[in-house]
Amino acid sequence: DGGITQSPKYLFRKEGQNVTLSCEQNLNHDAMYWYRQDPGQGLRLIYYSQIVNDFQKGDIAEGYSVSREKKESFPLTVTSAQKNPTAFYLCASGTGYTDTQYFGPGTRLTVL
Amino acid sequence: SQQGEEDPQALSIQEGENATMNCSYKTSINNLQWYRQNSGRGLVHLILIRSNEREKHSGRLRVTLDTSKKSSSLLITASRAADTASYFCATDAGGTSYGKLTFGQGTILTVHP
Repeated sequence: DGGITQSPKYLFRKEGQNVTLSCEQNLNHDAMYWYRQDPGQGLRLIYYSQIVNDFQKGDIAEGYSVSREKKESFPLTVTSAQKNPTAFYLCASGTGYTDTQYFGPGTRLTVL
Repeated sequence: SQQGEEDPQALSIQEGENATMNCSYKTSINNLQWYRQNSGRGLVHLILIRSNEREKHSGRLRVTLDTSKKSSSLLITASRAADTASYFCATDAGGTSYGKLTFGQGTILTVHP
């Protein structure tokens, strides 16, 4: 899983609560990404950031928010507006150029 | 949107056999990448092939790219039980999508010892 850490590994949330997933990288990468993976599915892009203090919506940004105050950190908040938040969330980083992405181990979020 | 479509969805083979997975995509690309995911884990990058390349090798992996057919294939030779995982293709369209990958739904490979 390289130099990217995600915490916690498992997260449980009650309906109506916001929850924040942590993602930290020590690879000195400019770009960071958040993906959602549902069972038996590929990855869908939620948000991405190519530089500090800037980020863009991906394909499924509704109900999520992010911040990028530091180069090494890109936390994702799953808000109560997200209708079906139970999923596996993966964070990745890269140089931001056309190159590979390095993934963290993931956080499995379950809404009770 | 899911640009890549992978085929087959699942593949079951015996150790020592070769495994071939295919990926098709819809729009022009800058490069195409293959990733591997063990159950419940993050993805690991395997190989990247650029749009001006036709074939690339890395150890037991061979990737081909046919931009006229908008398709790629991943061949794993002499498979091992440890190759059991899900394999995803991902495309980078370049341009304003710089560094942004679109993933296929994956092929689940099971290698029986």
